[in-house]
Amino acid sequence: EPEVTQTPSHQVTQMGQEVILRCVPISNHLYFYWYRQILGQKVEFLVSFYNNEISEKSEIFDDQFSVERPDGSNFTLKIRSTKLEDSAMYFCASSVVASTGELFFGEGSRLTVL
Amino acid sequence: KNEVEQSPQNLTAQEGEFITINCSYSVGISALHWLQQHPGGGIVSLFMLSSGKKKHGRLIATINIQEKHSSLHITASHPRDSAVYICAVRNYNAGNMLTFGGGTRLMVKP
Repeated sequence: EPEVTQTPSHQVTQMGQEVILRCVPISNHLYFYWYRQILGQKVEFLVSFYNNEISEKSEIFDDQFSVERPDGSNFTLKIRSTKLEDSAMYFCASSVVASTGELFFGEGSRLTVL
Repeated sequence: KNEVEQSPQNLTAQEGEFITINCSYSVGISALHWLQQHPGGGIVSLFMLSSGKKKHGRLIATINIQEKHSSLHITASHPRDSAVYICAVRNYNAGNMLTFGGGTRLMVKP
């Protein structure tokens, strides 16, 4: 069964460092998403991406965040200068269609900022 | 902004019991998702609903658009059903953005 894969599964970084989280969506999917879940809190939407551009982003997705699809298969989330409060589980998801499409999630990347 | 509330927050059941988890939201939606989060953190999509009812194995999801309410039912519960169940809604005017509920932590005891 096709699946969304994420790497790394866990990353520990120092505050102020840049972090790149990688995702490989399901191959025929067109819509890609990043979500985050701070420990003990709700899952939160960060950004959606379609046709090589951001289609929506939340208030959380400020200038320190960026996404790109560099090679047609990977979908990356970059955090330019990490803060302690960026520590969270980051989930990538993809879907064939947007508003009515079933979402397929990756297993998540746990980011710990020290 | 849509407020998504789930109840109960925590639920303990005996194996074999029928379980109901509820989700209410405040603003009209285009779709509602039920998700399962495993103890290790991974998320699996169970259902996506925009009306009516869906069934998959022992799981049943219903939605009442007029009442802005959805339920997830588990029949003949099993310890492997132990997980966090999350409701998430997509607003009419929010494109692809999902708003998530806080989850219901279910433990099924043998």
